[in-house]
Amino acid sequence: AQKVTQAQTEISVVEKEDVTLDCVYETRDTTYYLFWYKQPPSGELVFLIRRNSFDEQNEISGRYSWNFQKSTSSFNFTITASQVVDSAVYFCALSERVGYSTLTFGKGTMLLVSP
Amino acid sequence: DTEVTQTPKHLVMGMTNKKSLKCEQHMGHRAMYWYKQKAKKPPELMFVYSYEKLSINESVPSRFSPECPNSSLLNLHLHALQPEDSALYLCASSQDSLSGYTFGSGTRLTVV
Repeated sequence: AQKVTQAQTEISVVEKEDVTLDCVYETRDTTYYLFWYKQPPSGELVFLIRRNSFDEQNEISGRYSWNFQKSTSSFNFTITASQVVDSAVYFCALSERVGYSTLTFGKGTMLLVSP
Repeated sequence: DTEVTQTPKHLVMGMTNKKSLKCEQHMGHRAMYWYKQKAKKPPELMFVYSYEKLSINESVPSRFSPECPNSSLLNLHLHALQPEDSALYLCASSQDSLSGYTFGSGTRLTVV
C-alpha cells in the first residue's frame, strides 16, 4: 500500500526566511508520480509540481524548489524568501498507477508566514 | 478552458433535504473524481469515474449518489445527510497521471 508522510504539522516563519517542507513516501511500484499542492484558506487545491519516479532531477520555479531523492524516498519542497501569501496548507501526494489512478495525500503541513 | 468549475460554492442543507453538487470541466479529461475534505485533514477519495463509468467507490454511504451524465459533467446527489457529512467537497479531473489532476475550488457543505 502507498503512504505519504508529512511529519511537520505546522511551521511558522517570518517573512523572507527560507523554509523546507518535508515529504516521505512509501510505495511498492517502480512507476509512480509525486505531487505538491497548495491549499490557501479559500479552499481550492492549487497544483504546484508533478514528478515521475524516473526523473530525479531537482526543479526550481521562481522561489520554489523541489528535491527528489529516491534513495531516501523523499520529495522535499523549499520556499526561498517566504512571503505572507505563501501561508497555506501544503499537501504532498502520490499516485501509483499509470492511467486513471488516484492520489494518496499526506496529512499536510500548515505554513504560516508572518510579516 | 483549464478549470474545473464547482457549484454551488456554499450549501447549507437539512438532514431531510435532497440536494446536488455539480462539477464541470471542458479540458477533455476522461476521469473525474469526488473527494471529501474535513477541516484540517487531507482530501479523501470518494468516487472515480473513468470514461463516464463508475470505476471506484471507496465504500461511500448510499446517501451520497454520484452521477456522470456526460464526459464533462459530474454530479453528487445528496439525501438524508448527517451533520458529520459537513465538509469541503472537491471535484477533480485528469487525463492521466502524466498530466496531473485539476481540482475545483470545492463546495463547502454544512448539514444542519
